[in-house]
Amino acid sequence: QVQLVQSGAEVKKPGSSVKVSCKASGGTFSSYAISWVRQAPGQGLEWMGGIIPIFGTGNYAQKFQGRVTITADESTSTAYMELSSLRSEDTAVYYCARSHTPSIVGATTYPPLDYWGQGTLVTVSS
Amino acid sequence: EIVMTQSPATLPVSPGERATLSCRASQSLSSNLAWYQQKPGQAPRLLIYGASTRATYIPARFSGSGSGTEFTLTISSLQSEDFAVYYCQQYNNWPLTFGGGTKVEIK
Repeated sequence: QVQLVQSGAEVKKPGSSVKVSCKASGGTFSSYAISWVRQAPGQGLEWMGGIIPIFGTGNYAQKFQGRVTITADESTSTAYMELSSLRSEDTAVYYCARSHTPSIVGATTYPPLDYWGQGTLVTVSS
Repeated sequence: EIVMTQSPATLPVSPGERATLSCRASQSLSSNLAWYQQKPGQAPRLLIYGASTRATYIPARFSGSGSGTEFTLTISSLQSEDFAVYYCQQYNNWPLTFGGGTKVEIK
């Protein structure tokens, strides 16, 4: 059974950065896309970007371009999401999620998100 | 970016009744549409993908239909555990986008 375990809650100052990890176990890591989705308090779901570990290149929503970096370490089956220049509006629960089928070379999207981490609360406050 | 619009925002339903949720896309998705269920304090759970295929272990009372720009999630007979927020999500193109959600609440 695939499990995604995320790092713990963070409290950050405005203008700083946060890096959240997502360790996968119980399945193949490299060929399945990992996405990062956030949810502000009382709000809906927002896709930030993702990565297919075996290909190594992140894909990002325009809204987060230049502020988010998604990476993956195949040796430890861990994905990371780093968000910089934090502001109060970035206060949210951040989820990692794995796609339910493997991705191929030249993919222009990620399959649906079948396995989710438990979420990491990031609070941005002065 | 493809905009996903869900309706209604809130749907009051009595246990045992049918619930019908709608999702509209700003451009054609073919069948690249998924539905998720989210309960308070939990991560979302994949219910439906390919517009109509149930994910593993999802009960048969959940069904999806539609293609192109109009999609529907139907819960045939609501159980107590089905009261939750439901999101549609397109995966036809990057960026992946979600609808605003429909909260199914007890009538």
